[in-house]
Amino acid sequence: AQSVSQHNHHVILSEAASLELGCNYSYGGTVNLFWYVQYPGQHLQLLLKYFSGDPLVKGIKGFEAEFIKSKFSFNLRKPSVQWSDTAEYFCAVINTGRRALTFGSGTRLQVQP
Amino acid sequence: DTAVSQTPKYLVTQMGNDKSIKCEQNLGHDTMYWYKQDSKKFLKIMFSYNNKELIINETVPNRFSPKSPDKAHLNLHINSLELGDSAVYFCASSRSGQSNQPQHFGDGTRLSIL
Repeated sequence: AQSVSQHNHHVILSEAASLELGCNYSYGGTVNLFWYVQYPGQHLQLLLKYFSGDPLVKGIKGFEAEFIKSKFSFNLRKPSVQWSDTAEYFCAVINTGRRALTFGSGTRLQVQP
Repeated sequence: DTAVSQTPKYLVTQMGNDKSIKCEQNLGHDTMYWYKQDSKKFLKIMFSYNNKELIINETVPNRFSPKSPDKAHLNLHINSLELGDSAVYFCASSRSGQSNQPQHFGDGTRLSIL
């Protein structure tokens, strides 16, 4: 069975600080990886995804993530956060034999002005 | 235009009642999902349908019964509601149910059991 771990449950940053959220997954086969964001009271929106190719993927709103296969990691980064980035961030994986996402427990990001 | 729409957005009801949540997508996708998000924000798949056929049925009490009248709709009926059913239920859809197709989520239905 696959699983996803997000180590940071709650992160508090000041505006303009750099962000890195950790995500590790356990599955030995081919996986596709996603980061979703959930703004307060809203639905999940796709930030970025990795399927193959360049392990450094860029998403919307200045976010990027790096897939490191040897570490089973897919960390999310942003060089300079804004107050509007305050939200819950979810890492998710799906393997080629399964048709539903397995989510991590989420990281609540709070950006202080 | 809303891509994945769920109704109702809020549902407050008493234990023991039966309720339904509806979901519709206008993206032309043929795979739809129900996820449950608990009070700790943990998201877990419940069901998935591909072209009206059930393809994923996780360990969910049989009080929960999904129904897909066509590939644009996936409804969730819940019998004999219990306190533990309180959660936010998200509908999602994707193209073909393949792993490299991102899923699009609805706004969620917040179910509160009194």
